[in-house]
Amino acid sequence: QVQLVQSGAEVKKPGASVKVSCKASGYTFTSYGISWVRQAPGQGLEWMGWISAYNGNTNYAQKLQGRVTMTTDTSTSTAYMELRSLRSDDTAVYYCARDGPATYAFDIWGQGTMVTVSS
Amino acid sequence: QSVLTQPPSVSGAPGQRVTISCTGSSSNIGAGYDVHWYQQLPGTAPKLLIYGNSNRPSGVPDRFSGSKSGTSASLAITGLQAEDEADYYCQSYDSSLRGVFGTGTKVTVL
Repeated sequence: QVQLVQSGAEVKKPGASVKVSCKASGYTFTSYGISWVRQAPGQGLEWMGWISAYNGNTNYAQKLQGRVTMTTDTSTSTAYMELRSLRSDDTAVYYCARDGPATYAFDIWGQGTMVTVSS
Repeated sequence: QSVLTQPPSVSGAPGQRVTISCTGSSSNIGAGYDVHWYQQLPGTAPKLLIYGNSNRPSGVPDRFSGSKSGTSASLAITGLQAEDEADYYCQSYDSSLRGVFGTGTKVTVL
């Protein structure tokens, strides 16, 4: 079945970096984009950015420009999101989601990865 | 920072109809971008509920319906059931093709 499986929870110190992976299966990876969305504890959803799995083009949220990098490895059908210079307010559950065919709605979601930033 | 505004909460008795509004602007919904809706049950990832303003993915009950007009959209749940108790988010895009989410609405079944 179509699914996205993310890497496990991380605990990082302020100033460090984190890299979350999102492995796709059950569909042709390069035919869809992947978006990343985060949710701070008790808060709403925040769109972080998008990457084309076809050609690697990216589009990042303005507030994260310069701190976030999204990449893909087509040989393993895996997307990655790296966030640098972590702060306490980056503590959140990070989700990857597939852009639906021709709709750009997020039709398949990963299970989420908890990233905790604490000294 | 959400740029689509939703009511924080709505509630209704089982069987009733509730609606959730999603208000944007001329730079997102009003610019013609589609609105999508997601349901998030406690402790789980969001699930696509409505795409392209009014379309239901396979498996979503027809109790859920969506509409869009001008700079706003709305989600209606008819025949409210206990299992519908969840958080609901609208989502669209801005003129830079950056995603934007609504502030989220908690639906309580009385």
